[in-house]
Amino acid sequence: EDQVTQSPEALRLQEGESSSLNCSYTVSGLRGLFWYRQDPGKGPEFLFTLYSAGEEKEKERLKATLTKKESFLHITAPKPEDSATYLCAVQAGVNGGATNKLIFGTGTLLAVQP
Amino acid sequence: DGGITQSPKYLFRKEGQNVTLSCEQNLNHDAMYWYRQDPGQGLRLIYYSQIVNDFQKGDIAEGYSVSREKKESFPLTVTSAQKNPTAFYLCASSRLLQGTGANVLTFGAGSRLTVL
Repeated sequence: EDQVTQSPEALRLQEGESSSLNCSYTVSGLRGLFWYRQDPGKGPEFLFTLYSAGEEKEKERLKATLTKKESFLHITAPKPEDSATYLCAVQAGVNGGATNKLIFGTGTLLAVQP
Repeated sequence: DGGITQSPKYLFRKEGQNVTLSCEQNLNHDAMYWYRQDPGQGLRLIYYSQIVNDFQKGDIAEGYSVSREKKESFPLTVTSAQKNPTAFYLCASSRLLQGTGANVLTFGAGSRLTVL
């Protein structure tokens, strides 16, 4: 069964204290792994897509990496405005088109204190 | 600016009532989705649609209905048959990235439904 597990559930950091969030997945035929950021009471905002093991992408203080079993979201020198829930999702299947649904993890709630 | 508009943002419903959540997109995306989000759970797919006048059930379709009469619109009706409707509902749409077939979803701001 396709599955996505995120850890930790919650993480509290001091401003400037770098850390990583983990997304472990079990899926048949990975088409893409996605990271989203969600602020309280709002919809998720797209951050990255990763397609194959060894791929890395960066955006400001965030860097996403991918292996065959997991993805990490590294946060370097975080600021309070990075506080949010970070969601990981995978798209599985070998068929093309928009019918391939995304499987979401439960998210990691990140709090960065000044 | 292109985006997805969900309305209302907050909705209260009495038991036994049907309610309809609106979702409109001006991104020219072909596919649209409805997800439900509950505390401690990942987003769960209710319904999705690839083209006008066609839609498929997701993982938790029971007690919900949808229509797709226009490309831009994908309303969700929460019926009285839904046993536990209180949740945060998210509408999304997608394009396909060139050369990969992976769908990047763009989400609306969500609608919070509370059953009194």
